[in-house]
Amino acid sequence: DAGVTQSPTHLIKTRGQHVTLRCSPISGHKSVSWYQQVLGQGPQFIFQYYEKEERGRGNFPDRFSARQFPNYSSELNVNALLLGDSALYLCASSGLQGSPYNEQFFGPGTRLTVL
Amino acid sequence: RKEVEQDPGPFNVPEGATVAFNCTYSNSASQSFFWYRQDCRKEPKLLMSVYSSGNEDGRFTAQLNRASQYISLLIRDSKLSDSATYLCVVALRTPSMEYGNKLVFGAGTILRVKS
Repeated sequence: DAGVTQSPTHLIKTRGQHVTLRCSPISGHKSVSWYQQVLGQGPQFIFQYYEKEERGRGNFPDRFSARQFPNYSSELNVNALLLGDSALYLCASSGLQGSPYNEQFFGPGTRLTVL
Repeated sequence: RKEVEQDPGPFNVPEGATVAFNCTYSNSASQSFFWYRQDCRKEPKLLMSVYSSGNEDGRFTAQLNRASQYISLLIRDSKLSDSATYLCVVALRTPSMEYGNKLVFGAGTILRVKS
């Protein structure tokens, strides 16, 4: 079975542009979460979606938005990119219900560089 | 104060050594606990869940002390392949996140096993 997939793998943008990152969860998983990891730090929670609804939002500005589609894949959108948005963006998939006891499995990430 | 705190290391140990990592968390509402392993420029991978009764998986033993809000990971007989960053993680579900939860990561502890 395929794990969590993310696209693109790498992306280079300039300040002020917008970006869309994509994620497909493990088959059968209905919950997708997004995390941002800057160099030298642990991942930081951005959003969680379960059954196509936002179930949680981290401390990120409104420039960050996301959505989940009927097939449970998800997009993360970032507008008006800043240099500080350069990071590894990770998507995590978890089980049938959004329980905190469910383990989350991460995709390989999208490495975003903002110049 | 950070929600999850870890000694950043690095821990430089010879092959065959036993090494212990410690972690503390500040939110008493934390509901589940994990150790993840992250190799350089890769995604975090679940190493093991952590239970109050303690649990073991081969050379790895994890312990949780809810009263002290303390989590530990013990690695016995270290291998070169154990070299990685070890992330201490807690999962939180808040009232605003029905069917939702978020993972809160420590910054990670770097382990380098040398021959």
